[in-house]
Amino acid sequence: AQSVTQLGSHVSVSEGALVLLRCNYSSSVPPYLFWYVQYPNQGLQLLLKYTSAATLVKGINGFEAEFKKSETSFHLTKPSAHMSDAAEYFCAVSGGTSYDKVIFGPGTSLSVIP
Amino acid sequence: NAGVTQTPKFQVLKTGQSMTLQCAQDMNHNSMYWYRQDPGMGLRLIYYSASEGTTDKGEVPNGYNVSRLNKREFSLRLESAAPSQTSVYFCASSAYRGGSYEQYFGPGTRLTVT
Repeated sequence: AQSVTQLGSHVSVSEGALVLLRCNYSSSVPPYLFWYVQYPNQGLQLLLKYTSAATLVKGINGFEAEFKKSETSFHLTKPSAHMSDAAEYFCAVSGGTSYDKVIFGPGTSLSVIP
Repeated sequence: NAGVTQTPKFQVLKTGQSMTLQCAQDMNHNSMYWYRQDPGMGLRLIYYSASEGTTDKGEVPNGYNVSRLNKREFSLRLESAAPSQTSVYFCASSAYRGGSYEQYFGPGTRLTVT
């Protein structure tokens, strides 16, 4: 079975500081990994994804994530936080018998302090 | 191109009442999904439809039924609402793109059962 854990349900950073959101996964097959972002009162939108093409993945809005198989991690980073980055972030995994089904982590709420 | 649309946006039900949440997508996607989002639990899959005429249970199907009316529409029905079904419901569709399936979400329906 696949699962995702996200360390820290709430993360606060100062504007201009590094953003680091942690994600660890469990999968018995090579996984596809995703980060989705949810702005207040909206649906989720894809930020970036890993599909085995490259371990360092760049997404929208300056975010990137690195796939580390040895650590079963897929942490999300951004060098400099902006006020508009305040949102809920979800890590997700798919694979196995149903690559079109996705398992979501519990989410991390990011606050950006001016 | 409206993407994924959901109606209604908000709904309040009394215990025991029934209702249907509507979802439609105009992207010609085969797969569609219904999720519920509860604080601290991420998104949990209720039902899934890989194509017109097929549906499968997800992680939390009890108390719900679905209909894949055609390729565009996928509805979720609560036959006898319970307070435990108070949640935000998201519909999504997916397409194979850039080496993996990517999900596209609607704006959500906020349901309160009193």
